[in-house]
Amino acid sequence: GAVVSQHPSRVICKSGTSVKIECRSLDFQATTMFWYRQFPKKSLMLMATSNEGSKATYEQGVEKDKFLINHASLTLSTLTVTSAHPEDSSFYICSARDYQRTSGRQETQYFGPGTRLLVL
Amino acid sequence: TQLLEQSPQFLSIQEGENLTVYCNSSSVFSSLQWYRQEPGEGPVLLVTVVTGGEVKKLKRLTFQFGDARKDSSLHITAAQPGDTGLYLCAGPEYGNKLVFGAGTILRVKS
Repeated sequence: GAVVSQHPSRVICKSGTSVKIECRSLDFQATTMFWYRQFPKKSLMLMATSNEGSKATYEQGVEKDKFLINHASLTLSTLTVTSAHPEDSSFYICSARDYQRTSGRQETQYFGPGTRLLVL
Repeated sequence: TQLLEQSPQFLSIQEGENLTVYCNSSSVFSSLQWYRQEPGEGPVLLVTVVTGGEVKKLKRLTFQFGDARKDSSLHITAAQPGDTGLYLCAGPEYGNKLVFGAGTILRVKS
C-alpha cells in the first residue's frame, strides 16, 4: 500500500517556541492531506484539510494562526505549531489522499506514523 | 455532520475468544473503512467495504457492511494477543474528509 511518513516522530520543546512537523507521501502524489490530533485512548480529531497550492481549510474551533499549514508540493505538507504551550502537547497524525486509488465511492486515505509533541 | 457510533468502547477478552465490534449511523455512507492502531503509531487501514451487504474476510477478521450502508461490523475469531489495539471505523464525509467512530480499545490477554 501507499506509504506516508512523518518527521519528527517525537519532539520535546519549551513553551513559547514553534515546532514544525512534516508529512510526506513517499510513493504517490497527494493533492489533499489531512492533519489530525489524537488524545490518549481516543479517536482522531480532524484539525484541518491541506490542499496543494491553496489555503488549508480548518475545522471549527481550530486556530489557523496557531496551527499553520503549508502544502507546497504534491508530496509534502507541513504543520507548524506556533508559540507552543503545554496544552498543545498531543499526538499529531497526518494522512494523505491517494487520488489514483480513489474512485467515486471509495475514499482512500493513508496515515503517517504520527508525531508525539511534548511542550514543557 | 454524519456521525458514526462505535461500540463497545473497551473490550478485554481472553486469547481464543471471539468478539464483534459495531459501527452504526443514521446516515448512509458510500463506503466504510476499518483501521487498527497500536500505541504511538498511526492507524493502518484494514479494509474498505463499499457494497451494501458486502462481507470481506482478512484471515480471522470478518467485516460486514449493512444492506442499507448505514452500519458495519468487525468480527474477530479466536482472538490473539497480537490483535490488541485501537480499532476505528471511518466513513467519507463532504469535502473528502473522513468521519471517525470513537474507537474500540481491544485487549486480548494470553
